[in-house]
Amino acid sequence: GAGVSQSPRYKVAKRGQDVALRCDPISGHVSLFWYQQALGQGPEFLTYFQNEAQLDKSGLPSDRFFAERPEGSVSTLKIQRTQQEDSAVYLCASRSSDPIKYNEQFFGPGTRLTVL
Amino acid sequence: DAKTTQPPSMDCAEGRAANLPCNHSTISGNEYVYWYRQIHSQGPQYIIHGLKNNETNEMASLIITEDRKSSTLILPHATLRDTAVYYCIVRVAISSGSARQLTFGSGTQLTVLP
Repeated sequence: GAGVSQSPRYKVAKRGQDVALRCDPISGHVSLFWYQQALGQGPEFLTYFQNEAQLDKSGLPSDRFFAERPEGSVSTLKIQRTQQEDSAVYLCASRSSDPIKYNEQFFGPGTRLTVL
Repeated sequence: DAKTTQPPSMDCAEGRAANLPCNHSTISGNEYVYWYRQIHSQGPQYIIHGLKNNETNEMASLIITEDRKSSTLILPHATLRDTAVYYCIVRVAISSGSARQLTFGSGTQLTVLP
C-alpha cells in the first residue's frame, strides 16, 4: 500500500536549466494533480489529469511549465529555462475513483526545487 | 469557492484539546468544509469534511455552526505529532469528471507544546 511518491526529493538547478520532476501516484488512481507551494504559503494548483488527459492546466504560471501523463499513471512536470521565482516545493496528489474516497486527495512528499 | 479566514498561529498543551477555528461567512448551500493538515516537509493530509452536520472520525471532530458561517476542528487529545499547518477549505463536493482542485489559504500553524 505505497502512497504517492515523488522524485527527486530535492533539486538544485542553475538559472536557465531545464528540470523534470516525477510523480508516481497511488496505483489505480485516475485523477492526478500538481501544486506549487512557495515558502510560507499554501499550495497552489497547477494542473489536473484524468487518466492521460490533461483536463485543466489553468494554474501553470507560464509556457515554460509543461506536464504530461502519457500512460495514465506516472506524471512528469517539466520546467524549461528555470528562473529564480520557480523555486518552490512541487506537490503531486492523486485521487481515487472510489466514491467513498472521492473527496480525499493523497499527496506526495513534494520535490523542493531551488534555482540559483 | 468561498474564502476562509483562519488565525495564523495557535499553541496547545500536549494532551489537551486543540480547537482550530475557521470563518467562511460567504459559504454557499452546496459547499462543504474540508480540513487538511501539513506536517513540516510532508505533503498535505486529509483530515475530515462536512456539510452541515457535525462529523467525527479517528483523527478529529468537525463542528459546523447552524448558519454554516464558521466551523471548528477539534483534536481531542493533541500530541506533539499534531504540530502542523492546518488548512480549512470550502468548496463544492467533487463529482465524477470534475477537476475540483483544492484551493489552500495560509492556514493555521498549530504548535503542540510539551
